[in-house]
Amino acid sequence: AQSVSQHNHHVILSEAASLELGCNYSYGGTVNLFWYVQYPGQHLQLLLKYFSGDPLVKGIKGFEAEFIKSKFSFNLRKPSVQWSDTAEYFCAVNPSGGSYIPTFGRGTSLIVHP
Amino acid sequence: DSGVTQTPKHLITATGQRVTLRCSPRSGDLSVYWYQQSLDQGLQFLIQYYNGEERAKGNILERFSAQQFPDLHSELNLSSLELGDSALYFCASSASLAGGPHNEQFFGPGTRLTVL
Repeated sequence: AQSVSQHNHHVILSEAASLELGCNYSYGGTVNLFWYVQYPGQHLQLLLKYFSGDPLVKGIKGFEAEFIKSKFSFNLRKPSVQWSDTAEYFCAVNPSGGSYIPTFGRGTSLIVHP
Repeated sequence: DSGVTQTPKHLITATGQRVTLRCSPRSGDLSVYWYQQSLDQGLQFLIQYYNGEERAKGNILERFSAQQFPDLHSELNLSSLELGDSALYFCASSASLAGGPHNEQFFGPGTRLTVL
């Protein structure tokens, strides 16, 4: 079964700092990759997704992620964070085939100080 | 607003009790997924229904059950509740058959269950 690791459980940054959240997965086959965000008191919503093609994916609100197949990684980045980016971030993976049920990482809590 | 609704928002109950959580998917979505989110376990997939039929099962306890009705809303039933069942329960919906690789899930606001 696949698994997803998010190594940073809590990240605290000041506004304008750069952000990189790590996500590694374990699965030998072709995968589909997602980043979801959960703002305080709100539901999870999709930030970006990767299925194929250009491994650098751009999402909403200035976020991007790079799929590095050799490292089984899909790290999320943003060059300059804002206070409004304070949220919980979840990486998810599902294999291309089978039930397509995604496996989620445990999440990374990001706090951005103004 | 994702278009997925869940009721109730909050539920406080005692150990040993039974509760029912309700989810209405986005209009037109046939697949419904249930997740449990707790501090120590993260977001855990419980079960998926598609057009009324169970399609996939995750880490769902035997004390928990779910169903999807003809109008496509779904209910998650939790019985013989224990303290450890306290968590946020999310419902998500998607359009495609049995999920699908390009299938985005839309999440509801969740039900926060507290078992005392």
